[in-house]
Amino acid sequence: AQSVSQHNHHVILSEAASLELGCNYSYGGTVNLFWYVQYPGQHLQLLLKYFSGDPLVKGIKGFEAEFIKSKFSFNLRKPSVQWSDTAEYFCAVTSPYNQGGKLIFGQGTELSVKP
Amino acid sequence: DAGITQSPRYKITETGRQVTLMCHQTWSHSYMFWYRQDLGHGLRLIYYSAAADITDKGEVPDGYVVSRSKTENFPLTLESATRSQTSVYFCASSEFGTASPLHFGNGTRLTVT
Repeated sequence: AQSVSQHNHHVILSEAASLELGCNYSYGGTVNLFWYVQYPGQHLQLLLKYFSGDPLVKGIKGFEAEFIKSKFSFNLRKPSVQWSDTAEYFCAVTSPYNQGGKLIFGQGTELSVKP
Repeated sequence: DAGITQSPRYKITETGRQVTLMCHQTWSHSYMFWYRQDLGHGLRLIYYSAAADITDKGEVPDGYVVSRSKTENFPLTLESATRSQTSVYFCASSEFGTASPLHFGNGTRLTVT
């Protein structure tokens, strides 16, 4: 069965620090990968996605993620975080051959950015 | 307004009661989903639907019932609520299943006493 592991439960950074959130998945086949963000009190929004092609994916608000197939990883990065990046971040994976909605989410990483 | 709307936003109910959470989307997306969000578990899929009258179980379907008689509506019913069903419930829709981004509603915070 597919699963997603996010190693960091809670990350605390100061503004301008660099960010890297880990995400590993377990699935042997082709995957679609996503990062969603949930700002305090709001619903989840798509940050970026990877389906195929360039393994370095750029998303909104300066975020990027790198797909490393050999490591089954899809880590999220941002060179310089802002206070407004305080949110919970979810990695998710699915198979492109399963249209049925089996999008599996990780447990989430709460990011707190101190001004 | 276009989008996905969940109601109610907050609900308190007693153990054993039946409760229905509503979800309505205006995009005519084929796919709709129900997730529950719990601390330490992230989001877990309860049920999903690929089209009207087509539904299937997700990871944690026990104790829940869904229906989809119209494309735009996807209600979730807890037949006999239990305290373990206290959670935040998110409805989502997408045009092409998980090959396209999910659009989430604002959630329903359900407390079962």
